[in-house]
Amino acid sequence: DTGVSQNPRHKITKRGQNVTFRCDPISEHNRLYWYRQTLGQGPEFLTYFQNEAQLEKSRLLSDRFSAERPKGSFSTLEIQRTEQGDSAMYLCASSLDRVGTEAFFGQGTRLTVV
Amino acid sequence: GEDVEQSLFLSVREGDSSVINCTYTDSSSTYLYWYKQEPGAGLQLLTYIFSNMDMKQDQRLTVLLNKKDKHLSLRIADTQTGDSAIYFCAFSGGNYGGATNKLIFGTGTLLAVQP
Repeated sequence: DTGVSQNPRHKITKRGQNVTFRCDPISEHNRLYWYRQTLGQGPEFLTYFQNEAQLEKSRLLSDRFSAERPKGSFSTLEIQRTEQGDSAMYLCASSLDRVGTEAFFGQGTRLTVV
Repeated sequence: GEDVEQSLFLSVREGDSSVINCTYTDSSSTYLYWYKQEPGAGLQLLTYIFSNMDMKQDQRLTVLLNKKDKHLSLRIADTQTGDSAIYFCAFSGGNYGGATNKLIFGTGTLLAVQP
């Protein structure tokens, strides 16, 4: 297993367009997390899946954001009607279903909205 | 919500020790982590400490936890140029991380190691 994989690595889009990112977690990990990191800040939690169920969403996740994990494996994060404020690095992490277990992070997708 | 603060920047000479500090507000977190982020790379877990511990040593890394002052620190002995990166403290469990294991991150400290 090569770890958590995210695609694309970079995305430039015009304001108002929709974008979709993909995350492939480590295969045996049933927990999957999305975080957003803006310049000069630490990552902020967006949402979390346990298998295919989305169990928690941050207030940061506005109605324009939707995340899915249809078969409990890969996940997608879609942003509709992008705004310049959505420009950030979007990080995915996965872990086993154990309290305190290590979360492994992907390299992230850098979104630039112009 | 949880408030986790770190100093923005630390510069040290190669071979010296580095101490990166983190202060937090939620004392109920169960696990406290230190992550390293290098340009173009994902977040890498360096070490962690349970909330019932005061100190943990892992090769060149020493983590100190002062629960009374809500202060966490990471000491890197014999700092090398390859240690140059952004370092984040992070917490899970407790009032904010809860049982989901979501991580609450600090603001990050940029460590610059001068040769």
